[in-house]
Amino acid sequence: QSVLTQPPSASGTPGQRVTISCSGNYFNIASNTVTWYQQLPGTAPKLLIYKINQRPSGVPDRFSGSQSGTSASLAISGLQSEDEADYYCASWDDNLSGWVFGGGTKLTVL
Amino acid sequence: QVQLVQSGAEVKKPGASVKVSCKASGYSFTGYYIHWVRQAPGQGLDWMGWINPKSGDTKYAQNFQGRVTMTLDTSISTAYMEVSGLRSDDTAVYYCARGYCSRSSCHPAYYFDYWGQGALVTVSS
Repeated sequence: QSVLTQPPSASGTPGQRVTISCSGNYFNIASNTVTWYQQLPGTAPKLLIYKINQRPSGVPDRFSGSQSGTSASLAISGLQSEDEADYYCASWDDNLSGWVFGGGTKLTVL
Repeated sequence: QVQLVQSGAEVKKPGASVKVSCKASGYSFTGYYIHWVRQAPGQGLDWMGWINPKSGDTKYAQNFQGRVTMTLDTSISTAYMEVSGLRSDDTAVYYCARGYCSRSSCHPAYYFDYWGQGALVTVSS
């Protein structure tokens, strides 16, 4: 059972906009910024979004993040086939003094 | 460029120990925290803990306390993570990841900006 809650799956057609939610509590999301990681099949996770809505160099601006209270979300606009991957939210937890992850959301591009 | 290169796959018997290495290059090794994250087959990511290469300080997640030891060899810019008393449910890919630092500070609460390629550990009799 993951500390952060994500839907196990999401899907969309090419060009569509998809959002993935991430729910936590006062000690993690409400008190710290959420990070999002993308894990393509058979590869290591890669930093996708940090400090709520910042993108590392090379990440398309089709990816965006938002956060409010105990929840965060990742939005992907102009969905492309190469976006098919697992997406994980993560946050520092002040109560645990450690990192917590969501269970991951498998995104399928139909 | 920043790289974290991990050791290869291992097969271990229940009760044994395994030590995974993570060799860093492209940055000042002692300047950034190293975190370890585990991913069981078909499952999500599970944070195991961190080590501060400057001080050697460690912090282990509660689920792993007592069975996990994180160490360093700063002379070769390498971090190690050892799991003892292996069980079948320790079968997983183990990742190392670098913790981000700002210009002025580092903190284990800062996100992971680079990841190793992962090391598969299989526990089977």
